Amino acid sequence: AQSVSQHNHHVILSEAASLELGCNYSYGGTVNLFWYVQYPGQHLQLLLKYFSGDPLVKGIKGFEAEFIKSKFSFNLRKPSVQWSDTAEYFCAVNAQRYSSASKIIFGSGTRLSIRP
Amino acid sequence: DVKVTQSSRYLVKRTGEKVFLECVQDMDHENMFWYRQDPGLGLRLIYFSYDVKMKEKGDIPEGYSVSREKKERFSLILESASTNQTSMYLCASSPPGGPIFYEQYFGPGTRLTVT
Repeated sequence: AQSVSQHNHHVILSEAASLELGCNYSYGGTVNLFWYVQYPGQHLQLLLKYFSGDPLVKGIKGFEAEFIKSKFSFNLRKPSVQWSDTAEYFCAVNAQRYSSASKIIFGSGTRLSIRP
Repeated sequence: DVKVTQSSRYLVKRTGEKVFLECVQDMDHENMFWYRQDPGLGLRLIYFSYDVKMKEKGDIPEGYSVSREKKERFSLILESASTNQTSMYLCASSPPGGPIFYEQYFGPGTRLTVT
């Protein structure tokens, strides 16, 4: 069965530290990849997405993610985090299937806490 | 700015009650979705709709049904609420012209407690 794994459930960093959140998926076909973020008390919102082309995608607020097809990974990175990055981050994979309806699967989320 | 609104932020219902969760979007989006969000499980798709009166099951449709009579409104129905349906319910919409799960816009969520 298709799945999305976010191995880090809770990450704690100091301001200015570099961030990398892991996301691995299990699906061998064509995929579209997303990172969503949920700031405390706010709606879930799209951080960035990959559909095709350059596997290094840039999103809002200085975030980027790299799609490595051979590793089935789409890790989220930021070179220097800020206190305002405290949030929960969700990776999502949309599996493109020709014979049946498209599906989307979310990871379990990673809670990021930034120490001022 | 896309706005997705949900009828209630908090709801408390009793076991066996019929529960309606309403979602409205104001951007003329064709696609609408219902998810539930549980700690440690992320978001799980319950149902989605790509047009008025059209619906597709997601990963966990059991115990739920949906209704889409108008383009802007997508309702989730719990026919007979049970305690294991206590959860945060999120509605989302996405625009036409791309894959159905293109950029989704989420509502604020309804935290449902079934006692």
